Amino acid sequence: KQEVTQIPAALSVPEGENLVLNCSFTDSAIYNLQWFRQDPGKGLTSLLLNQSSQREQTSGRLNASLDKSSGRSTLYIAASQPGDSATYLCAVIGPGTGNQFYFGTGTSLTVIP
Amino acid sequence: SQTIHQWPATLVQPVGSPLSLECTVEGTSNPNLYWYRQAAGRGLQLLFYSVGIGQISSEVPQNLSASRPQDRQFILSSKKLLLSDSGFYLCAWSTGQDYGYTFGSGTRLTVV
Repeated sequence: KQEVTQIPAALSVPEGENLVLNCSFTDSAIYNLQWFRQDPGKGLTSLLLNQSSQREQTSGRLNASLDKSSGRSTLYIAASQPGDSATYLCAVIGPGTGNQFYFGTGTSLTVIP
Repeated sequence: SQTIHQWPATLVQPVGSPLSLECTVEGTSNPNLYWYRQAAGRGLQLLFYSVGIGQISSEVPQNLSASRPQDRQFILSSKKLLLSDSGFYLCAWSTGQDYGYTFGSGTRLTVV
């Protein structure tokens, strides 16, 4: 069964720092990986989607890399801002997840002004 | 553009009462629809998904059921709520695995 792990569970950084959030998965036979942001009490907002052979996706200050063979993805946030404070979740989809997106438990990020 | 609506935003229900949560999608046809639950301090758990009208797949046996009476409408129900049904319920849609998921704003359910 696919397992998705996000480490660390919580992270606190000063404003302006570049930071990396990690996502690892046990079954490398995935189709795609999607990163989401969740603000407290809110739904999930899609950030980036890495499709099959796309090793990197970029949107503004965010960059998501995917290494399927090693079962890892990283979300890079440049020049962090207090508004980046949220929980970040990764999700993978593939045969090992019944062809549905399967989520990690998230990293709670706090950016200190 | 596509939008997803989910209501109500919050709900407090007594144990043993029925439940009906609704999710509708606009701007797309024949979407795949999903119900997830997020319990406090835990990850998202897929409850049900549907690839078409009347087609429901259940991922976790429990006190809940789902229905899809129309192409863009997905309903989560219970006949008798349990305390353990409390949580944050999220609806999502997709047009296929290559296009990712889009989530609604969620319903916070508290069973008292």
